[in-house]
Amino acid sequence: DTAVSQTPKYLVTQMGNDKSIKCEQNLGHDTMYWYKQDSKKFLKIMFSYNNKELIINETVPNRFSPKSPDKAHLNLHINSLELGDSAVYFCASSVGTNSNQPQHFGDGTRLSIL
Amino acid sequence: AQSVAQPEDQVNVAEGNPLTVKCTYSVSGNPYLFWYVQYPNRGLQFLLKYITGDNLVKGSYGFEAEFNKSQTSFHLKKPSALVSDSALYFCAVRGPGGGNKLTFGTGTQLKVEL
Repeated sequence: DTAVSQTPKYLVTQMGNDKSIKCEQNLGHDTMYWYKQDSKKFLKIMFSYNNKELIINETVPNRFSPKSPDKAHLNLHINSLELGDSAVYFCASSVGTNSNQPQHFGDGTRLSIL
Repeated sequence: AQSVAQPEDQVNVAEGNPLTVKCTYSVSGNPYLFWYVQYPNRGLQFLLKYITGDNLVKGSYGFEAEFNKSQTSFHLKKPSALVSDSALYFCAVRGPGGGNKLTFGTGTQLKVEL
């Protein structure tokens, strides 16, 4: 049973295209996150949703638009892809925003822009 | 603003020897501290956390970490390293003020050799 699952695992596309990454968690958590890990393995939060409401929105280009249809899903849509968007994108979830419980991560989506 | 420093990009240790991966933090108020491990092509996996209480925290796979408030450190340790411990280790901090924003260090690659 995969706790946090992301699709697709690999995504190779041309500059300028629009693409989406999907994330689902079956842990019953209220809070979900998107992180970006660059080629140097640096990990930075992009967005966080709690019960379908946006609570963290870091300085991310508005080409990135998260959407949470329900608390078990958090998708990431990226418009007009650029070379610098190449990275591994991780979805994560946790029990709640003020919880001291750890975040649970998916295995990542490896996005390569040609 | 909260921050985490992992001063070593890589730590090499022989199997059977003790290992230490260093982490120092900066945060307003009492910190919530976490260690995660990342294996190749996988997401981050939670190892252990410090919230309050005993300064020595025990976690998964025989790892432990020592919280030192005066030195603002949270070093990860293991008494006897295994080759299978070779991975990328991340320290993370969350401030006490609510929200669930984790700030990660830059990661330390641990290499355990025979």
